[in-house]
Amino acid sequence: QKEVEQDPGPLSVPEGAIVSLNCTYSNSAFQYFMWYRQYSRKGPELLMYTYSSGNKEDGRFTAQVDKSSKYISLFIRDSQPSDSATYLCAMSVNTNAGKSTFGDGTTLTVKP
Amino acid sequence: DGGITQSPKYLFRKEGQNVTLSCEQNLNHDAMYWYRQDPGQGLRLIYYSQIVNDFQKGDIAEGYSVSREKKESFPLTVTSAQKNPTAFYLCASSPSGSAEQFFGPGTRLTVL
Repeated sequence: QKEVEQDPGPLSVPEGAIVSLNCTYSNSAFQYFMWYRQYSRKGPELLMYTYSSGNKEDGRFTAQVDKSSKYISLFIRDSQPSDSATYLCAMSVNTNAGKSTFGDGTTLTVKP
Repeated sequence: DGGITQSPKYLFRKEGQNVTLSCEQNLNHDAMYWYRQDPGQGLRLIYYSQIVNDFQKGDIAEGYSVSREKKESFPLTVTSAQKNPTAFYLCASSPSGSAEQFFGPGTRLTVL
């Protein structure tokens, strides 16, 4: 079983929809949680970075971490065609080693 | 402009040949990483380095080698011992005390 499991998708939604992307994990030592967005044939870019449990909002994006359930989510409000990409969750135990464990990604298509 | 550069963007190699992928960063980050990404898959860690002249194997180091002679540079050599080297290779760097990673644009390697 993988340490990080991500909803596989693909996911297709109409423009303006609310999107929910989810990951579960098994390692309770994870403390840092990231979401990356990767456009086709490009390198990933950091979208959200959170520490421990709670919510973090940045514009149309909200990251949610529930450490008790070992579950994280990324919500996208008012989704746009430009949001069409693959979204990768990543988690890290600490910042010293810097190693992150990535999910396999969920590919999202937002249709105009 | 600060960032990570990878070259070349596309690389073709004949079976049995070694090839070196370049990764340079001017972000003054201590840690650097190499990942491999196969179609529809997440990122798998090949090697990482937290400091100059030191590096550690990741999850799939067999058939690869790295060096870290300068803080700015972390080249990856794909050797002939790597059985299935065709993939998208991503380099990343991370500042001290942070789990977030900054990615380069990637190199797509194809073995003919």
